[in-house]
Amino acid sequence: LAKTTQPISMDSYEGQEVNITCSHNNIATNDYITWYQQFPSQGPRFIIQGYKTKVTNEVASLFIPADRKSSTLSLPRVSLSDTAVYYCLVGDEGSTLGRLYFGRGTQLTVWP
Amino acid sequence: KAGVTQTPRYLIKTRGQQVTLSCSPISGHRSVSWYQQTPGQGLQFLFEYFSETQRNKGNFPGRFSGRQFSNSRSEMNVSTLELGDSALYLCASSRQENTEAFFGQGTRLTVV
Repeated sequence: LAKTTQPISMDSYEGQEVNITCSHNNIATNDYITWYQQFPSQGPRFIIQGYKTKVTNEVASLFIPADRKSSTLSLPRVSLSDTAVYYCLVGDEGSTLGRLYFGRGTQLTVWP
Repeated sequence: KAGVTQTPRYLIKTRGQQVTLSCSPISGHRSVSWYQQTPGQGLQFLFEYFSETQRNKGNFPGRFSGRQFSNSRSEMNVSTLELGDSALYLCASSRQENTEAFFGQGTRLTVV
């Protein structure tokens, strides 16, 4: 079960780009990298998933270097509403959440 | 389509009582997972069900149990409640094939 390491907290200001890096040194060949976002008193929400290089959707970008031992979630031009906890998860495509480790996540606080 | 529905949203119980929480997954989703979230321990996996069978179980005492019905709805039960069981209990549903899961709003359980 590939565990992940993320910073406990990060601060940013509105309009800035935020990059949250996750380490997953023992990632397996079949593992994908998935990021979730959680607001207080709500369940986590899927943001993005990738396997290698770069993935982009309407919310974020995910950068994965060639060795795949880390990944970076990039949030462009954050707003106050992006204040949340962000979780990095690693697991194979066939994994259901029961085999994934959420960790403590990264508390992102966006200031005006 | 309707999201994951958890009932009740809030619950107050006294020590020693038991409680049953309910989760209705997204239509067509056959996998349901349960998580406990506390400020001190973060998101911790309880168990996962697929087609009425428990496929994975987290490191929780036997007081925590669950089941899944033929319509994929799931319930979890906690017996002999302790103060430390106070938490946000989250349910997530997903298709088997990938790791994108959808969480409910959770049930906030307070044990007094």
